Amino acid sequence: GEDVEQSLFLSVREGDSSVINCTYTDSSSTYLYWYKQEPGAGLQLLTYIFSNMDMKQDQRLTVLLNKKDKHLSLRIADTQTGDSAIYFCAERSSNSGYALNFGKGTSLLVTP
Amino acid sequence: DTEVTQTPKHLVMGMTNKKSLKCEQHMGHRAMYWYKQKAKKPPELMFVYSYEKLSINESVPSRFSPECPNSSLLNLHLHALQPEDSALYLCASSQEGHVLEVYGYTFGSGTRLTVV
Repeated sequence: GEDVEQSLFLSVREGDSSVINCTYTDSSSTYLYWYKQEPGAGLQLLTYIFSNMDMKQDQRLTVLLNKKDKHLSLRIADTQTGDSAIYFCAERSSNSGYALNFGKGTSLLVTP
Repeated sequence: DTEVTQTPKHLVMGMTNKKSLKCEQHMGHRAMYWYKQKAKKPPELMFVYSYEKLSINESVPSRFSPECPNSSLLNLHLHALQPEDSALYLCASSQEGHVLEVYGYTFGSGTRLTVV
């Protein structure tokens, strides 16, 4: 499938904002998602954005989409230690039979 | 019911064993998926079923055999697996063809498989 790229690690102090970035290549992507996965657990859908939107806010989470540059970001405000996890960006398009194509994941470490 | 249920949650099997993973949903979704996830890696698509027919096989070895007996059930039959097949196996379902139905894409909590 098409590539979805993410930086692998991010470390922030508790209370700061975290920004996790993602780039994708499939121009037919319709939805872009952010999933959270804690150690030993399954995938938790955090938020999503439709490809005709450029921003979506949901409580502490803000998603920005630059469709021209195929760049997606997730901002977590007031990051807490419970936010420490792996965050996966994923795209969904008709090219992949509507399956999700995941990035490699960003490990977020929040320190006190 | 808005869940995808996977059983068992954990499975340990020998390399000569035959076992099956099960996935069930009652949301009326017509597409079902198997993903494999190794530790600290992203999920990788294995199979896609659309209206109970296999539509995508991502070059998965034949020791993994999917089956979709009806629109609510998806199985993954395992035979002669290798230790490197140990992973978390995730099932998902979605509204086939309805890419606007974002909430129609649902993951199960997975089966953690260990091959010894």
